[in-house]
Amino acid sequence: SQQGEEDPQALSIQEGENATMNCSYKTSINNLQWYRQNSGRGLVHLILIRSNEREKHSGRLRVTLDTSKKSSSLLITASRAADTASYFCATGSDTSGTYKYIFGTGTRLKVLA
Amino acid sequence: KAGVTQTPRYLIKTRGQQVTLSCSPISGHRSVSWYQQTPGQGLQFLFEYFSETQRNKGNFPGRFSGRQFSNSRSEMNVSTLELGDSALYLCASSHARGGTDTQYFGPGTRLTVL
Repeated sequence: SQQGEEDPQALSIQEGENATMNCSYKTSINNLQWYRQNSGRGLVHLILIRSNEREKHSGRLRVTLDTSKKSSSLLITASRAADTASYFCATGSDTSGTYKYIFGTGTRLKVLA
Repeated sequence: KAGVTQTPRYLIKTRGQQVTLSCSPISGHRSVSWYQQTPGQGLQFLFEYFSETQRNKGNFPGRFSGRQFSNSRSEMNVSTLELGDSALYLCASSHARGGTDTQYFGPGTRLTVL
């Protein structure tokens, strides 16, 4: 099963509104990353947040991490039509020397002009 | 810095054939990971190479293999193609081992198996 589960699976909002996506995971992690993917293309890295951090900002993006609840959220403020994409969280972990990223199922965001 | 490049971008093969995909990481990056993305299974980890050695492998059959060269470029091979291998194959590079550092993705290779 997927390590990360994004919620909601799909989200439709008006331009200018804020969009919030959530990611839950199951095991302990070193870090968590958020990616954006436009229509079957490569993934674009948005933010990496380490397990000892609680919040990070990048432009209109704000990511929080709650390791006690094993969850993270991505907030996009003042959304634009160009933000329409799928958003994935990926948890990075190091288990007995095995390093890996596991991706969630993604949230499809549609921003209406 | 140039980003991660993948070739070819699109590929059409028939069942039973084999295919080789190529990935050139960002200069200075030593880790290359491969992922398969399908609508049904999402993004699934195939394997990771670091300093020419496979360090980690996902749950894929032995038909999926890879290698990494001394210049960190990586190739992925799929033998005896099946219809279910149709997918977007993504490679990602990072400076440090996967799971510990930011991964940067290439545009992907869209493989269609007929």
